[in-house]
Amino acid sequence: QVTLRESGPALVKPTQTLTLTCTFSGFSLSTSGMCVSWIRQPPGKALEWLARIDWDDDKYYSTSLKTRLKISKDTSKNQVVLTMTDMDPVDTATYYCARIGGSSGWYSWFDPWGQGTLVTVSS
Amino acid sequence: QSALTQPASVSGSPGQSITISCTGTSSDVGSYNLVSWYQQHPGKAPKVMIYEVSKRPSGVSDRFSGSKSGNTASLTISGLQAEDEADYYCCSYAGSVYVFGTGTKVTVL
Repeated sequence: QVTLRESGPALVKPTQTLTLTCTFSGFSLSTSGMCVSWIRQPPGKALEWLARIDWDDDKYYSTSLKTRLKISKDTSKNQVVLTMTDMDPVDTATYYCARIGGSSGWYSWFDPWGQGTLVTVSS
Repeated sequence: QSALTQPASVSGSPGQSITISCTGTSSDVGSYNLVSWYQQHPGKAPKVMIYEVSKRPSGVSDRFSGSKSGNTASLTISGLQAEDEADYYCCSYAGSVYVFGTGTKVTVL
């Protein structure tokens, strides 16, 4: 059974850097074809894709946020870490991690998702 | 990359069928058969209902079906049930990035 769980601070101040950890089980990010993404959802608003990291350490970022994001993995700990710099109140959201499903080399759907962690940006 | 466009709300009576549209561009929906749909109940994480336009994951009811024509994908829920009341989001691969839809609230009357 594949499970993912997000952890990190519930509250950060404006201009600070946010660090979130996704701890997963049921698969290994050293296995070919495995990928993990981060996705966020501001309260009452739509989902927004943030970043993806692959088994071979390829990384992909949202075009609008790529200057502020960094994704990394620790295969030995079954963890994926997302850092987001220069946090602003508009970054207040529930942050989810999810495994990416794929076939024939195309990785396109998110399943399963973690429960999410709410991050509030406020002074 | 702009969000895919979905109707804000769709409603139907139990037993009816409803369809949710998801309109993108030739850079996302129109270029790839890599559209997925997610169901989200209040306070819960999203759950995949359809992937690669029309494929259903194991355990998802066959009342859910997906299709695509040009730059628009669609999710149809047939035999609407009370438990289908939720928010629904489409998502498209767009060449190393992913774009989600604006979301649709489905209400069962």
